[in-house]
This record gives sequence, C-alpha cells and structure tokens, in this order.
Amino acid sequence: AQSVTQLDSHVSVSEGTPVLLRCNYSSSYSPSLFWYVQHPNKGLQLLLKYTSAATLVKGINGFEAEFKKSETSFHLTKPSAHMSDEAEYFCVVSANTGNQFYFGTGTSLTVIP
Amino acid sequence: DGGITQSPKYLFRKEGQNVTLSCEQNLNHDAMYWYRQDPGQGLRLIYYSQIVNDFQKGDIAEGYSVSREKKESFPLTVTSAQKNPTAFYLCASEWGEGTDTQYFGPGTRLTVL
Repeated sequence: AQSVTQLDSHVSVSEGTPVLLRCNYSSSYSPSLFWYVQHPNKGLQLLLKYTSAATLVKGINGFEAEFKKSETSFHLTKPSAHMSDEAEYFCVVSANTGNQFYFGTGTSLTVIP
Repeated sequence: DGGITQSPKYLFRKEGQNVTLSCEQNLNHDAMYWYRQDPGQGLRLIYYSQIVNDFQKGDIAEGYSVSREKKESFPLTVTSAQKNPTAFYLCASEWGEGTDTQYFGPGTRLTVL
C-alpha cells in the first residue's frame, strides 16, 4: 500500500530564510516521488520528481528534495524563500505498478516580508 | 501551445441538476484523470482512463460519470446523485502508466447553489 504524510499543514518563514517542507512516504514498492505546487485557484505545477536515479533531486525555482530510503522521507527545501513561493505544496507517491498517484494533504507556505 | 485545458473556470449549478466539466489535452497522452480537491485535503481520485473507450473508478466515483470517446477529451459529469458536489475539480494527463509525470489543468470550481 502507498501513502504520504506531510508533517506540517502550515509553515511560515521570513523572506530570505530557508524553507523546509517535510514529507514521509510508505510504499510497498520502489516508489516514484513528486512535489507539486499550487497557487490559489490554479492547477498543480510539477516542482521536481524522484524516479530511482540520483537521491538529491533539483527542481524549478531553486527547490530541491532528497530521497532518504532509510528514513522514508522526501523533504523539500529551498535556501532562500521569496514572496512568490507562497502557495500550497503537495507531496505525491506513485507505486510504479499502476498509474495511481497518492497525494499528501498539503502544506501551506507563508512567506513573511 | 501544448497543455491541458479545463472549462469553465467557474461553474454554478442548482441542486438536482447534472453538469459536465470539460477537459482537453493536446499532449498526445494516453492516460487522463479526474480529481476532486476540498479545503485542507489532498486530491482524491474520481475516475481515470488509460486508453480511449476505457475508464476505471477511483476512490470517490459515486455520483460521477465519465466518457473517453477521443484521446484528447475526458469530460466529467457531476450528477444529481453526488451529495456534496461543491469543490475544485482538477483534470490531469500522463504519457503512460507508472512512473511518468501527471500534468494538471487549471481546474474548475463548481458551486452548487
């Protein structure tokens, strides 16, 4: 069975400080993992994905995530937050044996000027 | 431009009426998906289709119906049997099953009056 837990429903950071959004997953298979971002009343945009290649994955807009199998984690980070980063972020796991995605409940990021 | 379009962006419906949400993609993707998003929750899968003329129920299919007569189109009908239809609906498509990335449309916000 596959599942995703986003450990924080809301994160606030000051502009220019690092961002950490936490995600733990459960998967019976070698998973593919994704981070998506959603701005208000918009669709989801892919930030980055892990598919069993390099464990440190670089995405768009300066975001990156590290796959840690021993910790079953796939945390999203960014060295310096910008106001434009304010959005909802979703961690997603795919089972690799079918085409169903399993979504976390989302983390809302607020950036304080 | 390649992408996924959903229409309309906002939709209002009276109780007891059926309504159809449009989803079109020109990415030549085989698989298409419909999700429902409610505040504070992740996305929940309604229906998905891996190929033309074939589709499967997702986790919350009751009160919804779909068709896949063309590769490019995957319309969703919200029927009067859906008890709580007010939500944000997202359509996605994917090249093939498994580890591929799902690409999302901009969404349709349905409000039942």
